[in-house]
Amino acid sequence: KAGVTQTPRYLIKTRGQQVTLSCSPISGHRSVSWYQQTPGQGLQFLFEYFSETQRNKGNFPGRFSGRQFSNSRSEMNVSTLELGDSALYLCASSLDTRQDYSYEQYFGPGTRLTVT
Amino acid sequence: AQKVTQAQTEISVVEKEDVTLDCVYETRDTTYYLFWYKQPPSGELVFLIRRNSFDEQNEISGRYSWNFQKSTSSFNFTITASQVVDSAVYFCALSEAGGGSEKLVFGKGTKLTVNP
Repeated sequence: KAGVTQTPRYLIKTRGQQVTLSCSPISGHRSVSWYQQTPGQGLQFLFEYFSETQRNKGNFPGRFSGRQFSNSRSEMNVSTLELGDSALYLCASSLDTRQDYSYEQYFGPGTRLTVT
Repeated sequence: AQKVTQAQTEISVVEKEDVTLDCVYETRDTTYYLFWYKQPPSGELVFLIRRNSFDEQNEISGRYSWNFQKSTSSFNFTITASQVVDSAVYFCALSEAGGGSEKLVFGKGTKLTVNP
């Protein structure tokens, strides 16, 4: 089974621009979560999508948004980029067929975003 | 609020030494899940183990073992006879069960260096 894939792997953008990152989950996985990883703040939860609906959101400004498509693929968008948005953005998928159970999440290789 | 603390920022050992990575968590939930992930230099988070709050049985998988103690809110990870390939950043994470969300709260990670 193919793992979680993320595109692009590397991005360089300038302040003020916007960016869209893509994530394809493991086949059959319906939950997709996004995390931001920085040296200072560590791994922080951005949001989670399930069946095309945002189910949970972390403490990030509205410039960060996402969506999920009917095939479970997900995109996240960051508008008006700031220098502090430079980070590794990780996508994870999980099976999530039971609401009373927490499944392990499988992570993609990440997208390294650099904002100059 | 949920919180995970990994007090050891960096650990350096010599090959074949045993090493224990500490993890202390905080949660008000009675049902929750604990995870360990490994992040090698390539950047991709690799799932190692999931443990639910009702299962305090220790687990061993090859050279890896986990000690879960609810009384001290700890979920420690031991690598026996460490190898250079074990060098990575290890993250402990917490997730609440139910609520229909797969949000993970991560510790800051422990960077393990195994020297030959």
